[in-house]
Amino acid sequence: DVKVTQSSRYLVKRTGEKVFLECVQDMDHENMFWYRQDPGLGLRLIYFSYDVKMKEKGDIPEGYSVSREKKERFSLILESASTNQTSMYLCASSLPGLAGGPGTGELFFGEGSRLTVL
Amino acid sequence: DAKTTQPNSMESNEEEPVHLPCNHSTISGTDYIHWYRQLPSQGPEYVIHGLTSNVNNRMASLAIAEDRKSSTLILHRATLRDAAVYYCIPNTGGFKTIFGAGTRLFVKA
Repeated sequence: DVKVTQSSRYLVKRTGEKVFLECVQDMDHENMFWYRQDPGLGLRLIYFSYDVKMKEKGDIPEGYSVSREKKERFSLILESASTNQTSMYLCASSLPGLAGGPGTGELFFGEGSRLTVL
Repeated sequence: DAKTTQPNSMESNEEEPVHLPCNHSTISGTDYIHWYRQLPSQGPEYVIHGLTSNVNNRMASLAIAEDRKSSTLILHRATLRDAAVYYCIPNTGGFKTIFGAGTRLFVKA
């Protein structure tokens, strides 16, 4: 079974701290994604990566950066955490699109990391 | 992007079939229809996908209308563990999978 593992289920940080959220997948997937999920707003895409060292902005990249130095690992970085970044963060991975082309096939999600910024 | 419309919530009795509808009238001819579900306190999980023909797997069945403007996810015998939010998502082939509000399914014992 595909496994996507997020480093921490729960984190509490202070405003201004640098925060690292780590995600590792074990199925050699090309694509990896970071989403955040907030009540009433659903899942929103922050960043994605379709190859090592490649990254693309999603819909809400402000205040975040990412790193993909190895195929299996995709890190989300909050350079200076703020209270409005309190959220559930979800990592996902996938193979390329169903037709073998670009885009994404089935997404496999981790269990999520609930971040609270005080 | 194709827009979807799903009921906010539905209720089912345990052991009974559940039909979860989704309207996607603006879907293009090459967009697959994906369904995911999200159990409480977990990340979403893939359920099933299809293009034109009806599809079955161990989790569910997917019935796609002939004009592809709607689809129905069928859980043949709902269990308490099926209580979740179900998302219907047209897959446009891009990298951005858009999760809407979905349908929250309540299952009564």
